[in-house]
Amino acid sequence: GDSVTQMEGPVTLSEEAFLTINCTYTATGYPSLFWYVQYPGEGLQLLLKATKADDKGSNKGFEATYRKETTSFHLEKGSVQVSDSAVYFCALSVLGNKLVFGAGTILRVKS
Amino acid sequence: SAVISQKPSRDICQRGTSLTIQCQVDSQVTMMFWYRQQPGQSLTLIATANQGSEATYESGFVIDKFPISRPNLTFSTLTVSNMSPEDSSIYLCSVRGQGLGEAFFGQGTRLTVV
Repeated sequence: GDSVTQMEGPVTLSEEAFLTINCTYTATGYPSLFWYVQYPGEGLQLLLKATKADDKGSNKGFEATYRKETTSFHLEKGSVQVSDSAVYFCALSVLGNKLVFGAGTILRVKS
Repeated sequence: SAVISQKPSRDICQRGTSLTIQCQVDSQVTMMFWYRQQPGQSLTLIATANQGSEATYESGFVIDKFPISRPNLTFSTLTVSNMSPEDSSIYLCSVRGQGLGEAFFGQGTRLTVV
């Protein structure tokens, strides 16, 4: 079945450090890929998405590129801030079916 | 976009009782989704609720434990029945955007069963 694998956390970085959170997927079809963020005490919000190979999703300084050849959708940010501390979820959806989420990666940014 | 209101935002319940969670969307949607997020875990889909038909449950979830209503295109309820401490979780309502792309989530209901 469809699945998403994320790097385990927590990831602890100093402010202004470079961030990478790895995400790989397995899908029976041709999925759309998403990154969701959950700030402390809040619900999930869409951070960015990509719907076809080589698409780059970007938002708030975060980027992720849909790599079909490596079945990956790694999240990156060049300079993290304390306010980026949250849980990040990679997810996929095939043909508009249900979203399948990864386990989530906790990011902690220290000032 | 869609704005989703969930009620209650949190509750502490006695084991053996039931809790009904409400989800209101500000626009008409075909499908609504209910997820469970256990402490420190990812989201697990409980069921998909279509208006006018019975909900479709994922493996490991049954209607007797999690009955769902979907009376119209903007509203749904999830009941957690005969609760035990293992049901302590965050329960989230979700809808999909145009073309079944982006998913929008309610703030969640944080349930603690004692």
